[in-house]
Amino acid sequence: DTGVSQDPRHKITKRGQNVTFRCDPISEHNRLYWYRQTLGQGPEFLTYFQNEAQLEKSRLLSDRFSAERPKGSFSTLEIQRTEQGDSAMYLCASSPPAGVGETQYFGPGTRLLVL
Amino acid sequence: AQSVTQLDSQVPVFEEAPVELRCNYSSSVSVYLFWYVQYPNQGLQLLLKYLSGSTLVKGINGFEAEFNKSQTSFHLRKPSVHISDTAEYFCAVSDGGATNKLIFGTGTLLAVQP
Repeated sequence: DTGVSQDPRHKITKRGQNVTFRCDPISEHNRLYWYRQTLGQGPEFLTYFQNEAQLEKSRLLSDRFSAERPKGSFSTLEIQRTEQGDSAMYLCASSPPAGVGETQYFGPGTRLLVL
Repeated sequence: AQSVTQLDSQVPVFEEAPVELRCNYSSSVSVYLFWYVQYPNQGLQLLLKYLSGSTLVKGINGFEAEFNKSQTSFHLRKPSVHISDTAEYFCAVSDGGATNKLIFGTGTLLAVQP
């Protein structure tokens, strides 16, 4: 059983650089979520895709952040001109179609450190 | 707006002792409640969830939680903990709306000591 995978697992970058993260959801899941988790906090919702459509974006997602899911399968999250405040764990989750309260299955996360 | 409060940031407990991790939520609509566990350097794993029906919910690894609507609580319990239960535990709420997004609490570190 293949779960949600994320790549890379760790990323160290210098302030001002661009970074891109990838998420591969469970194959039959059409719902995909991105969350951000900072030290000592719970995950915070960033954005949601249903198939290829981005249906909701949090106010946390500034103009420097962009997410795509071009074919309704994998998704990418790009951060442009990174800042030290972007240092966090970025989590991806997917869930099957239909049904309220569906379980979200989380990937292992990408830990970003901006120097 | 929905919110989740986990008042205990850390709960130390001895192995084989019982434990309760507290969670209170705030919502003006019907909610769906979840407990997730996060082991070091890993993603989140679902322990259990409440959608409707019986207010006592049983999950994996011997955990259970009770939904109390009048007290707006969803406390997590285990009668006897093991060293391997040491992890961060997150309570979350969803309104089951169009996105079904989760709102998480700040987490409780369960530290099981021998």
